Amino acid sequence: GIQVEQSPPDLILQEGANSTLRCNFSDSVNNLQWFHQNPWGQLINLFYIPSGTKQNGRLSATTVATERYSLLYISSSQTTDSGVYFCAACPNTGNQFYFGTGTSLTVIP
Amino acid sequence: DAGVIQSPRHEVTEMGQEVTLRCKPISGHDYLFWYRQTMMRGLELLIYFNNNVPIDDSGMPEDRFSAKMPNASFSTLKIQPSEPRDSAVYFCASSFLARQLEAFFGQGTRLTVV
Repeated sequence: GIQVEQSPPDLILQEGANSTLRCNFSDSVNNLQWFHQNPWGQLINLFYIPSGTKQNGRLSATTVATERYSLLYISSSQTTDSGVYFCAACPNTGNQFYFGTGTSLTVIP
Repeated sequence: DAGVIQSPRHEVTEMGQEVTLRCKPISGHDYLFWYRQTMMRGLELLIYFNNNVPIDDSGMPEDRFSAKMPNASFSTLKIQPSEPRDSAVYFCASSFLARQLEAFFGQGTRLTVV
């Protein structure tokens, strides 16, 4: 399988601050997703973004498949953004998703 | 659609007992995945099915684990006998044409083996 690395592992933000989370993957992918795992453990779909840029409210994501990385931007962070953010990549050679180890985000008021 | 439905949400069992986790995928999805999440190993794929057929079970930790998908709307993951190290959150996910469309996860089953 492929290696998926996320950075930073931990992040503490003041409410209202912006942040960028990074996901690097070791091989070509045909599917990449970002998830938010909330404090109750639910995995919430944020973006399906094998390439290009998407925006959804205060969140946006960009994947540069040729350079094997994806970025998740969080603007004007809120306490409800706290949790763990995962990226998951599906390699061209397979059908299963490989998860990164996540970025744990804490937004303090 | 109600999304991927897993049951039970929580399960506490004694070591040596059989445990069965259940999953109902989103209607029309043709791929189903079972994942396990632990602090030590993160989210790891156990097995996945395509059109009810197991495709890759290389992630199943040992013979105590088995999974079935008797039809397109139901899958089970069974652990027999269970051990304390099996304690984890087990997620089921489904997708349609997994290589092209996004996967959706159930709420997970938190298993505790005492």
